[in-house]
Amino acid sequence: DTAVSQTPKYLVTQMGNDKSIKCEQNLGHDTMYWYKQDSKKFLKIMFSYNNKELIINETVPNRFSPKSPDKAHLNLHINSLELGDSAVYFCASGGTEKSTDTQYFGPGTRLTVL
Amino acid sequence: GDSVTQMEGPVTLSEEAFLTINCTYTATGYPSLFWYVQYPGEGLQLLLKATKADDKGSNKGFEATYRKETTSFHLEKGSVQVSDSAVYFCALSDTSGSRLTFGEGTQLTVNP
Repeated sequence: DTAVSQTPKYLVTQMGNDKSIKCEQNLGHDTMYWYKQDSKKFLKIMFSYNNKELIINETVPNRFSPKSPDKAHLNLHINSLELGDSAVYFCASGGTEKSTDTQYFGPGTRLTVL
Repeated sequence: GDSVTQMEGPVTLSEEAFLTINCTYTATGYPSLFWYVQYPGEGLQLLLKATKADDKGSNKGFEATYRKETTSFHLEKGSVQVSDSAVYFCALSDTSGSRLTFGEGTQLTVNP
């Protein structure tokens, strides 16, 4: 009964390939997020979706495309992978009202681009 | 824009020592404040939170008080254990609640 799950946990691929990471939450939250954690552990938001609608799109290359088929799922597709895309990607879900603005994170997907 | 600054790490302590990890923030309005913990090889777990000034969040022996006058949310624990070894992140949620801004993270190592 994992709250926020991601697949795969590890992803190793060659430069130039296209890959996807999947995320699902069973918490009933309306909002889902993607964060990137770099090699120095710094975390930065990439995207946010509320009820399948994109509400945050940080300055992320357009090779990254999130897709939300329903409010319980937010997938991340990455085209033409580059060495600098190597990182840990975390999915999260949460509310957007002050009383429910806690975000819950998935276990992360460690992406290594060779 | 919003920002969070944490004390530089890494921090190494002996078991049963007192822990303080400093966190200060810059934000407009009244953000919610959080501490998340990341154990080795795992994702982030919410440790504690506070949503308004003077609120104290607490969990597992950790505490932090939302100080608006000093824009701080320092994390404290009276007696650390080896199992507390992890990376600790201070974060704030903007007033719309739509994003988290994280500090740089502080690596804590507790030796027996």
